[in-house]
Amino acid sequence: NAGVTQTPKFQVLKTGQSMTLQCAQDMNHNSMYWYRQDPGMGLRLIYYSASEGTTDKGEVPNGYNVSRLNKREFSLRLESAAPSQTSVYFCASSEARGPSSEGYTFGSGTRLTVV
Amino acid sequence: DAKTTQPPSMDCAEGRAANLPCNHSTISGNEYVYWYRQIHSQGPQYIIHGLKNNETNEMASLIITEDRKSSTLILPHATLRDTAVYYCIVRVPGRGSTLGRLYFGRGTQLTVWP
Repeated sequence: NAGVTQTPKFQVLKTGQSMTLQCAQDMNHNSMYWYRQDPGMGLRLIYYSASEGTTDKGEVPNGYNVSRLNKREFSLRLESAAPSQTSVYFCASSEARGPSSEGYTFGSGTRLTVV
Repeated sequence: DAKTTQPPSMDCAEGRAANLPCNHSTISGNEYVYWYRQIHSQGPQYIIHGLKNNETNEMASLIITEDRKSSTLILPHATLRDTAVYYCIVRVPGRGSTLGRLYFGRGTQLTVWP
């Protein structure tokens, strides 16, 4: 049981390049999320998908797009990377059946450097 | 979601109890208290959550004051592997676009020393 899988684990981009971060979960969760974490900061929500077919902006959506490809997969795209997007990106999923089952599961992260 | 306040850092001797405080004085009646931790370079890990009763699981105990304005996460016998940043989050759980999000602050860096 893999949980949440993110690819790639590391990436270096040049300013202006594009790339897609992939995330897949095998827990049949309805909701999926993308966060970024900068040094000394907590996690900030970029985009989320409450259920298949829906996506919404979080705290810091500018410069990003997302696609909920199916129930398992939620991708994050940087169309034109900027140095300010250098960060660690985490994908997460959850199944909000109610307060007793509210734990989120996070992936191991993608470390992105934009030069 | 209500704001939380946590000390930026704490330390604890291995084998002793680690008590991590969190203030959430503006918590509303339907908001739960959640705790997560993040070991260096890894994704956050869910620990425990509660509404108003004290909770215990295999990882930790959660003590919530009667007025619910503060809580304490207790790791009863801290080990070196418990060194991590611990996040206290207050939110309303459930489905839907406005309820499913999880907002993190800066947390408390717990260092367990031998």
